Amino acid sequence: EVQLVELGGGLVKPGGSLRLSCEATGFTFSGYTMNWVRQAPGKGLEWVSSISGRSSYIFYADSMKGRFTISRDNAKNSLYLEINSLRAEDTAVYYCAREDDRGWGLDSWGQGTLLTVSS
Amino acid sequence: QSVLTQPPSVSGAPGQRVTISCTGSRSNIGAGYDVHWYQHLPGTAPKRLIYAHSNRPSGVPDRFSGSKSGTSASLVITGLQAEDEADYYCQSYDRDLSGSVVFGGGTKLTVL
Repeated sequence: EVQLVELGGGLVKPGGSLRLSCEATGFTFSGYTMNWVRQAPGKGLEWVSSISGRSSYIFYADSMKGRFTISRDNAKNSLYLEINSLRAEDTAVYYCAREDDRGWGLDSWGQGTLLTVSS
Repeated sequence: QSVLTQPPSVSGAPGQRVTISCTGSRSNIGAGYDVHWYQHLPGTAPKRLIYAHSNRPSGVPDRFSGSKSGTSASLVITGLQAEDEADYYCQSYDRDLSGSVVFGGGTKLTVL
């Protein structure tokens, strides 16, 4: 069974940094493109970033470029998202999601981890 | 402002049929990219409901169907049930954004 578990959320002060993790089990992690998607309070889903199986291709939403860094460690079956210069508007539930290997959308999602940016 | 446009809300009585639209442009849906739909209940992981315009993953009831025409797509739910009350999102890709993932703004379905 595919399982994705996000870790690392919490309360962080504006200007700080944080690294979120996503631990994957139940599938060959290195064979899949992985994504981060976030949902701010009262808002819809917002795609953040994606990284291909061997980290050859990395994409960010335009609004995330510069402060967000996606990475993965296939040996540890883990996906990461580092966010710098945190702002209040980064407050959101952050989900990791696996991309279907046929390009048919995001077929598995974690439960999400809540990041709150506040002083 | 989402790249894909959805109505903020729709509603229907149990047993009725509702349609949720997803309007894009020539750089995303109109460019031939697949459209996928997700169901999201508060506090849970989003769930893929429809992939590649009209295909249901195993376990998704056939009450849910999808279609695409031109620069738009639609999700149709027939025989509405109380447990269908959720947020629904369409998703595609956009060539003007390097083929990146784009979501619609989401539609809240209320079962009356």
